Amino acid sequence: EVQLVESGGVVVQPGGSLRLSCSASGFTFDDYTIHWVRQASGKGLEWVSLISWDGDSTYYADSVKGRFTISRDNSKNSLFLQMNSLRTEDTALYYCAKGPLYGSGSYGPFDYWGQGTLVTVSS
Amino acid sequence: AIQLTQSPSSLSASVGDRVTITCRASQGISSALAWYQQKPGKAPKLLIQDASRLESGVPSRFSGSGSGTDFTLTISSLQPEDFATYYCQQFTSYPLTFGPGTKVHIK
Repeated sequence: EVQLVESGGVVVQPGGSLRLSCSASGFTFDDYTIHWVRQASGKGLEWVSLISWDGDSTYYADSVKGRFTISRDNSKNSLFLQMNSLRTEDTALYYCAKGPLYGSGSYGPFDYWGQGTLVTVSS
Repeated sequence: AIQLTQSPSSLSASVGDRVTITCRASQGISSALAWYQQKPGKAPKLLIQDASRLESGVPSRFSGSGSGTDFTLTISSLQPEDFATYYCQQFTSYPLTFGPGTKVHIK
């Protein structure tokens, strides 16, 4: 059974930093691209970032570029999101989501999602 | 960035109704479109990928169609468990984008 479990969400002050983690199981982790997607309370879905199966390629939404860094440790089946210079508008539930198999030539869609971890940026 | 619009933003329907949701892309995306269902307090669930390919385990009352810029999600006979918010997503280019969602209410 595919499982994605996020952790690390807390209350942090504006300007602060946070590192989110996503632990994966039930599939060959290093065969797949993995994404972060966020959702502010009562709002829609916003794609945040992607990392390729080998970690060599990363992409970011303009809203987080230069502040967030995605990384992965395939030996530990884990995904990370380092979040710096946090703003109140970064407050959201952050999901990790499994993307397509490497070599598929596609950037999506996302066939499995975790349950999310809540990040609150507030003074 | 490719913008996605959805219509309607919300709708009220009864069990057994046929429901159609549309998604329009600001530029052509071929068939690189997915539909997700999200229930309150839950993660989104992939229903359809490549505009019309039903995910394994998704009831056949769900169907998708379209290509280029115009797409539809149809629920042929609405069931009680289908009351949820539905999002389209394009995955042809970065940044990946989602539509704003369509909330399906009980009439």
